[in-house]
Amino acid sequence: AQSVTQLGSHVSVSEGALVLLRCNYSSSVPPYLFWYVQYPNQGLQLLLKYTTGATLVKGINGFEAEFKKSETSFHLTKPSAHMSDAAEYFCAVSEANFGNEKLTFGTGTRLTIIP
Amino acid sequence: DADVTQTPRNRITKTGKRIMLECSQTKGHDRMYWYRQDPGLGLRLIYYSFDVKDINKGEISDGYSVSRQAQAKFSLSLESAIPNQTALYFCATSDPTGGNQPQHFGDGTRLSIL
Repeated sequence: AQSVTQLGSHVSVSEGALVLLRCNYSSSVPPYLFWYVQYPNQGLQLLLKYTTGATLVKGINGFEAEFKKSETSFHLTKPSAHMSDAAEYFCAVSEANFGNEKLTFGTGTRLTIIP
Repeated sequence: DADVTQTPRNRITKTGKRIMLECSQTKGHDRMYWYRQDPGLGLRLIYYSFDVKDINKGEISDGYSVSRQAQAKFSLSLESAIPNQTALYFCATSDPTGGNQPQHFGDGTRLSIL
């Protein structure tokens, strides 16, 4: 069974500061990992994904995440926060078995940007 | 136009009523999913369908049923709504080509059951 833990249900950072949102996963097989963002009154949008290959993954809006197998982590970072980054962020895992691509989501982290 | 369209966007109804939430997509994806989102719980999978003839239960299917009317349409029904089914419901689609493609979400249906 797969699971995702997002540390910190709420994170606040100042505009221009580093954004770090933490995600740890559990999976019995090699995982595929995703970060999604949800803006108010909208659905989830894909920020980035890790499948195989390079462990540092770059996504949209200046975000990136690094897959660390030894730490079972996939933390999301952005060097400089912008007011428009305020949203809820979800980490998700899917087991890399073709035909079994069900996502398991973390409970989300709400990011607040302080002007 | 949105690729994944959910109707209605908002619905308030009473306990015991039958409710249908509809999802249609123009992405041409075979795979469709229904999730519910509750504060502090993230998204949980209700049902999923990998093609028109394939329906599978997710982790929280009790009290729900689905119908896959066509490749583009996937409906979620609450046969007799209860207050703890008040939540935000999302439909999603994905393309099986290449395996583990990301899911694409609609804007959600906010359902309140009184």
